[in-house]
Amino acid sequence: EDKVVQSPLSLVVHEGDTVTLNCSYEVTNFRSLLWYKQEKKAPTFLFMLTSSGIEKKSGRLSSILDKKELFSILNITATQTGDSAIYLCAVVRGYGNKLVFGAGTILRVKS
Amino acid sequence: EPEVTQTPSHQVTQMGQEVILRCVPISNHLYFYWYRQILGQKVEFLVSFYNNEISEKSEIFDDQFSVERPDGSNFTLKIRSTKLEDSAMYFCASRTYRGSNEKLLFGSGTQLSVL
Repeated sequence: EDKVVQSPLSLVVHEGDTVTLNCSYEVTNFRSLLWYKQEKKAPTFLFMLTSSGIEKKSGRLSSILDKKELFSILNITATQTGDSAIYLCAVVRGYGNKLVFGAGTILRVKS
Repeated sequence: EPEVTQTPSHQVTQMGQEVILRCVPISNHLYFYWYRQILGQKVEFLVSFYNNEISEKSEIFDDQFSVERPDGSNFTLKIRSTKLEDSAMYFCASRTYRGSNEKLLFGSGTQLSVL
């Protein structure tokens, strides 16, 4: 059975802290891994990772994939209250390209 | 950036009633999906649709569910006889496929409440 496991389940930090969110997976026919941020409703796309060892960066956020150890991390530096959200990891599997989601990490950034 | 739009944003219905959730995917996208998220739980795949037919569906997507692309722009999810456990946020998503670009973009969701 396909599995995507995120840790921690929730995290409370202060503004300015750096956080690392983890995602491990076991899926058949892995194609890519995606990170989303979910605030009130729709997940909004952050990163798509297909190759090991290549860091993707967008402002204070960065992410990297390790296809040998089957995990990815999402880093957020200098956190702000606007970073408070649920961060979802999802893996694209198979040729139907459906996403298998993890349960998410709830991040709360206190001012 | 282009958006996937969904209507209505909220739908309240009585158990046993039919509901149709509507989505307008991004215009040049080729693959369409429905996902749902029961409150406090994971986002779950329901169905994928390509070239006017279902390409994959989950165990959740039983005979009570159907999808349609009636006019080349809308993409609908119908639940024929709603049950209490169908209460969830339903997300439509779409993507285009160009080489390795598989970025899936989600709509803002329809919150379905079955009473």
